[in-house]
Amino acid sequence: GDSVTQMEGPVTLSEEAFLTINCTYTATGYPSLFWYVQYPGEGLQLLLKATKADDKGSNKGFEATYRKETTSFHLEKGSVQVSDSAVYFCALSSTGGFKTIFGAGTRLFVKA
Amino acid sequence: GAVVSQHPSRVICKSGTSVKIECRSLDFQATTMFWYRQFPKQSLMLMATSNEGSKATYEQGVEKDKFLINHASLTLSTLTVTSAHPEDSSFYICSASASVQEETQYFGPGTRLLVL
Repeated sequence: GDSVTQMEGPVTLSEEAFLTINCTYTATGYPSLFWYVQYPGEGLQLLLKATKADDKGSNKGFEATYRKETTSFHLEKGSVQVSDSAVYFCALSSTGGFKTIFGAGTRLFVKA
Repeated sequence: GAVVSQHPSRVICKSGTSVKIECRSLDFQATTMFWYRQFPKQSLMLMATSNEGSKATYEQGVEKDKFLINHASLTLSTLTVTSAHPEDSSFYICSASASVQEETQYFGPGTRLLVL
């Protein structure tokens, strides 16, 4: 079945460091790919998404490119801030359906 | 736009009682709503999918008589945890999508349930 694998955390970075959180997926067809962010004590918020190969989703300085050849959707940010500390979930939604499969989540800590 | 609310945000109850959690789409009509459970430091576990006016579809291993889901209108779904026990303590999150074609889900802020 469809699945999402993302790097284990926690990831600890200093402010202004470069961030990469790896995400790979297994799916039949052509899924849409998402990154969601969860701040402490809150629900999930959509951070960005891409619906087809080579699309780049971007928001708030974060970006991720849909790579079909490597089945990846890695999240990157050039300069993280303390306020980016949260849990990040990679997810996919399969073609023709609306059931979303989530990765395990990666906790990010950014130190001042 | 696309705001989903949940009520209550947190609830503490005694073992054996029932607890109802509401999920509302505030500015769109939600054809489909999803209920998730999240354990500490873990990912979301889909419990069930509900479509307005029809019975919910439960994921394998989720007791439908324990977790009653009602989706009576296009803007409201409720999850009732019946005869709650301490092991039901968790963070419950709902999400909604506007149509079958809409893949993006909009999440509520979550409800933290503590059963004593």
